[in-house]
Amino acid sequence: AAGVIQSPRHLIKEKRETATLKCYPIPRHDTVYWYQQGPGQDPQFLISFYEKMQSDKGSIPDRFSAQQFSDYHSELNMSSLELGDSALYFCASSSKLSGTENHNEQFFGPGTRLTVL
Amino acid sequence: GQSLEQPSEVTAVEGAIVQINCTYQTSGFYGLSWYQQHDGGAPTFLSYNGLDGLEETGRFSSFLSRSDSYGYLLLQELQMKDSASYFCAVREADFNKFYFGSGTKLNVKP
Repeated sequence: AAGVIQSPRHLIKEKRETATLKCYPIPRHDTVYWYQQGPGQDPQFLISFYEKMQSDKGSIPDRFSAQQFSDYHSELNMSSLELGDSALYFCASSSKLSGTENHNEQFFGPGTRLTVL
Repeated sequence: GQSLEQPSEVTAVEGAIVQINCTYQTSGFYGLSWYQQHDGGAPTFLSYNGLDGLEETGRFSSFLSRSDSYGYLLLQELQMKDSASYFCAVREADFNKFYFGSGTKLNVKP
């Protein structure tokens, strides 16, 4: 079965540089989520999209932006990178049909490990 | 603010039963999910409770009491491969926004 695809899997950037992370949700999933997970931390919700429209925002810094495109893939753009942005970034997707109820099961991608030097 | 409390670490032996508790305080509540995450891996969905009571899925069961803002994950017949971190996650009302607990690291010993 198709899974969530994220690219790149690893990314190394310098401080103040920009980074773009890509996510390809499971086909026919209508909702995409982005999470940031620091070492030994829980996944922190950043932002979600439903049917290509921004749905909800969490603790996403103003330096970050995201969008979902017509083919449902999503990109997380990160500018003016800081050392503290080093983390694992997960994308997840869900649909009305996932899990036992509406959108309550999220399928996570393998993550992008961002290292800021 | 949002607050989800879980024990940081639990140790048990193979074949045993372990319960991981989660208490939450959130501005809105729609349901409680549980995810498993192995080191370096992605979270994997285990179960969801939208209503009070027990949900059973194989060796894993999850319970919710909305009036107590409390839930737990019960793992039976523990296996070595169950060694992982377990997160509870609250869906905030009928939104596409989820808050994760700090995670419980389960160590299964032979």
